[in-house]
Amino acid sequence: GQQVMQIPQYQHVQEGEDFTTYCNSSTTLSNIQWYKQRPGGHPVFLIQLVKSGEVKKQKRLTFQFGEAKKNSSLHITATQTTDVGTYFCAGRGFGNEKLTFGTGTRLTIIP
Amino acid sequence: NAGVTQTPKFQVLKTGQSMTLQCAQDMNHEYMSWYRQDPGMGLRLIHYSVGAGITDQGEVPNGYNVSRSTTEDFPLRLLSAAPSQTSVYFCASTNAGGVLSYEQYFGPGTRLTVT
Repeated sequence: GQQVMQIPQYQHVQEGEDFTTYCNSSTTLSNIQWYKQRPGGHPVFLIQLVKSGEVKKQKRLTFQFGEAKKNSSLHITATQTTDVGTYFCAGRGFGNEKLTFGTGTRLTIIP
Repeated sequence: NAGVTQTPKFQVLKTGQSMTLQCAQDMNHEYMSWYRQDPGMGLRLIHYSVGAGITDQGEVPNGYNVSRSTTEDFPLRLLSAAPSQTSVYFCASTNAGGVLSYEQYFGPGTRLTVT
């Protein structure tokens, strides 16, 4: 079945440093979504990428979808304490209603 | 709109007991899903539904049953609780699927402990 791997599992950064998490699928995806989960909270949708090579930005967050539509990344520039949480990617295959989540990257910020 | 609601927020069960986790949404979404979240394993799909009367299995369906009699409600039943079912359970809904899939709205979760 479809598998989605995410690295790293944990990332500790100084406030103001950049952060990147990577997502790799075992199969080609029709689209990929990113979610953020604050400690003790529930996942909250950030963005969806659909096109090969697509790049989208949300303020300090940059999302990329690979050319082969099998990998994706989330980059945060100049992290802030509000960025703390776990970031998940979630991929959907073709002709498949199921969304497969990655294992997540937990980001902690050192003030 | 209340969005996606889940009850209870916390539950402790003894091995062998049964219970139902409730999930409701007021956004008229067709698609609803149940996930479990365990440390280091992300969110794993248990069961999902693409509309009233239609359900299907996800990645980890064993030990769980679902039904979808209305668009709004999607309860998850634990038939005979086991310690391996200790987890945080999230219900989610979305208004489309496939290539046109949109964001999933998650409920606040139910933290279940089985002793």
